[in-house]
Amino acid sequence: SQTIHQWPATLVQPVGSPLSLECTVEGTSNPNLYWYRQAAGRGLQLLFYSIGIDQISSEVPQNLSASRPQDRQFILSSKKLLLSDSGFYLCAWSPRTGMSYNEQFFGPGTRLTVL
Amino acid sequence: KQEVTQIPAALSVPEGENLVLNCSFTDSAIYNLQWFRQDPGKGLTSLLLIQSSQREQTSGRLNASLDKSSGRSTLYIAASQPGDSATYLCAVTASGYALNFGKGTSLLVTP
Repeated sequence: SQTIHQWPATLVQPVGSPLSLECTVEGTSNPNLYWYRQAAGRGLQLLFYSIGIDQISSEVPQNLSASRPQDRQFILSSKKLLLSDSGFYLCAWSPRTGMSYNEQFFGPGTRLTVL
Repeated sequence: KQEVTQIPAALSVPEGENLVLNCSFTDSAIYNLQWFRQDPGKGLTSLLLIQSSQREQTSGRLNASLDKSSGRSTLYIAASQPGDSATYLCAVTASGYALNFGKGTSLLVTP
């Protein structure tokens, strides 16, 4: 069966510090990968998605970047955190097909607090 | 831009009741609709996926329906239990790869 891991589970960082959140998927090959953010009082928002290594798309302009160093690994980064980067970050995967209508499966999330 | 609305925002019911959660979306040109459960401080658990060509899906005590032309979906929970207490999220895929989420319905089932 497939499993998705995220770490760290929680993180408290000062404004201006760098960020690296990691997501890995086990039990599947060539998944589509996604980063979402859930901010207090707001819905979940897609930040990045990747349909393959070196194929990463950004949905919204922001202070964050994403990379996919391996097929089943997705990294969310920032060079300098802002207060507005605080939130609950969720990684997800879906089976890769030619269409975008497959079911997405989410990881346990990382709670980021920027002070 | 696709807008997803969930009503009610919060719901409290006694154990054993059947209940319905509502989801509406503004653009009927969707690929699929997915219902999730989120426990406090946790990730999302996928409950049901309905493709645009389907009318409903069932899993155990859960039944989700989809009326694409009217932009509505309902999640029916039969014989509710305290363990069903959580936030239930509805999301649609309209174009591209993004799931467009509602803000959720917070459900409390009291013993």
